[in-house]
Amino acid sequence: GQNIDQPTEMTATEGAIVQINCTYQTSGFNGLFWYQQHAGEAPTFLSYNVLDGLEEKGRFSSFLSRSKGYSYLLLKELQMKDSASYLCAVKDSNYQLIWGAGTKLIIKP
Amino acid sequence: DGGITQSPKYLFRKEGQNVTLSCEQNLNHDAMYWYRQDPGQGLRLIYYSQIVNDFQKGDIAEGYSVSREKKESFPLTVTSAQKNPTAFYLCASSISEGTGGYEQYFGPGTRLTVT
Repeated sequence: GQNIDQPTEMTATEGAIVQINCTYQTSGFNGLFWYQQHAGEAPTFLSYNVLDGLEEKGRFSSFLSRSKGYSYLLLKELQMKDSASYLCAVKDSNYQLIWGAGTKLIIKP
Repeated sequence: DGGITQSPKYLFRKEGQNVTLSCEQNLNHDAMYWYRQDPGQGLRLIYYSQIVNDFQKGDIAEGYSVSREKKESFPLTVTSAQKNPTAFYLCASSISEGTGGYEQYFGPGTRLTVT
């Protein structure tokens, strides 16, 4: 079966750095997405990786290793507004998105 | 302003009643999707459509139905056959299905409660 694993919950301090990991086992791979979802709201797109390596976008960076079936989202200079769930999703061989359950990130002052 | 709208935000229904959730987009996207989100689980695909008058079942289509008569609209009907309909329903759209890093844009969601 297809599977995406993320930690259920993480806690970090305002101003610090946090890394949210995602491992996947899917039938084929056509890219990996990270989304942010605040409680009760819609997910919003953060990043897309299809080749190995690091993609940097402001305070957020995303890394991909296809050989290891692994990605991480790195958030720097954490702000209180970064408290949200972070969803990892992989596009499989049928171009369907397979979603992880999400990681709830709690930021403490 | 381009975007996706879903209405209503909260919906309450009695068991045994069908209910239709609306989804409209003005992004000129070809592909549209319906997901269900339950606590502690990833988004699960109910139905998707790549083009007008065509749609495909997702992983959990049983007890649901859709139509795609217009490019902008993709309503979802939750029928009485759906065993556990209480959930947060999200509609999304993207430029196209298939290759490319085309992200999905989501509507604000409808929280359906069936008692």
